[in-house]
Amino acid sequence: SQTIHQWPATLVQPVGSPLSLECTVEGTSNPNLYWYRQAAGRGLQLLFYSVGIGQISSEVPQNLSASRPQDRQFILSSKKLLLSDSGFYLCAWSAVDGNTEAFFGQGTRLTVV
Amino acid sequence: LAKTTQPISMDSYEGQEVNITCSHNNIATNDYITWYQQFPSQGPRFIIQGYKTKVTNEVASLFIPADRKSSTLSLPRVSLSDTAVYYCLVVRNTGGFKTIFGAGTRLFVKA
Repeated sequence: SQTIHQWPATLVQPVGSPLSLECTVEGTSNPNLYWYRQAAGRGLQLLFYSVGIGQISSEVPQNLSASRPQDRQFILSSKKLLLSDSGFYLCAWSAVDGNTEAFFGQGTRLTVV
Repeated sequence: LAKTTQPISMDSYEGQEVNITCSHNNIATNDYITWYQQFPSQGPRFIIQGYKTKVTNEVASLFIPADRKSSTLSLPRVSLSDTAVYYCLVVRNTGGFKTIFGAGTRLFVKA
């Protein structure tokens, strides 16, 4: 069966520090991968998606970047965090031929102080 | 992608049936209606999906009228553990999982 791992679960970082959140998927090949951010009490905002290694599409301009160094690995990064980067970050995957369902990780609660 | 409109919050009691209605007036021919459930500090979890008429699984039913401009998620005999946020999504069947997550409906189930 397929599983998605996302870590860490919580993170407190000072303003100006770098960020690296990692997501890995097991049990499937060539998945579509997504990074979402959720502000408190709000819906999910799509930040990045990837259809293959090295292929990243950005949905909104921001202080963050994403990379996909391996087929089932998706990384969210920042060189210098801002207070506004605080939020709940979720990684998700969908099958390459299954566009109508996505599977989400457990999320990372990031607090920038 | 079609945006959806659903109630911000709903209250219910244990054992009752809960119906959450969602409107999606601009739904396209190749769009599917999908509902997700999210508990605090967890990722959303797929509940049910449909294209038209009625779909039922072990946790919910989804009713979609012929014009597909709305849908109703039905949760039979809710329990306290069904307290969560429910998202109604319109998802296109091409181009990857791209959809618009609104604020969802916060369901509170009381004892």
